[in-house]
Amino acid sequence: GESVGLHLPTLSVQEGDNSIINCAYSNSASDYFIWYKQESGKGPQFIIDIRSNMDKRQGQRVTVLLNKTVKHLSLQIAATQPGDSAVYFCAENGIPGNTGKLIFGQGTTLQVKP
Amino acid sequence: KAGVTQTPRYLIKTRGQQVTLSCSPISGHRSVSWYQQTPGQGLQFLFEYFSETQRNKGNFPGRFSGRQFSNSRSEMNVSTLELGDSALYLCASSWRDTNTGELFFGEGSRLTVL
Repeated sequence: GESVGLHLPTLSVQEGDNSIINCAYSNSASDYFIWYKQESGKGPQFIIDIRSNMDKRQGQRVTVLLNKTVKHLSLQIAATQPGDSAVYFCAENGIPGNTGKLIFGQGTTLQVKP
Repeated sequence: KAGVTQTPRYLIKTRGQQVTLSCSPISGHRSVSWYQQTPGQGLQFLFEYFSETQRNKGNFPGRFSGRQFSNSRSEMNVSTLELGDSALYLCASSWRDTNTGELFFGEGSRLTVL
């Protein structure tokens, strides 16, 4: 069945270091991928997205890498800050061309140590 | 610009009862999606509405239903509540007029079934 998974449930990094959060997806037909950040007591917040016709996309302090060959997605956060502490979810669309139904991974908790 | 508003934020029900949750999307957004979030299953897609029509549906029993009004506001209903329905129910809105666009999530309605 369709599933999106993350390699590590918890990632602990030192403030100022770079963070890399990984995600494996199983549906090779997915053509849209998103990263969300969820802080305690809040709804998920969009970070960055990427379409399958791209390998890399950069935002402010964040970069998403997509490797379609091994169905792997990663989120890189530069100069990690305490405010980056949250649960990070990757998601795929599952249905090509349709972004209305997202399949989420289980999430990785990022802990930033001061 | 106001974000996605969900009401009520918290509610407690008993088994067998029914519940209605409300969602007001960001002004101008025509698509509303609903997700269920639990510690065990993570974020799971329930359904998506666009211009008052259900466009996508997840794998939930018929006890879960929804609708969208002409002003894009949406409601979801769960009938004959079960203990396992205890969850955070998240609503998200987007433009979704071209199968693109990020989802903006509300802070959710936390339902506890006793």
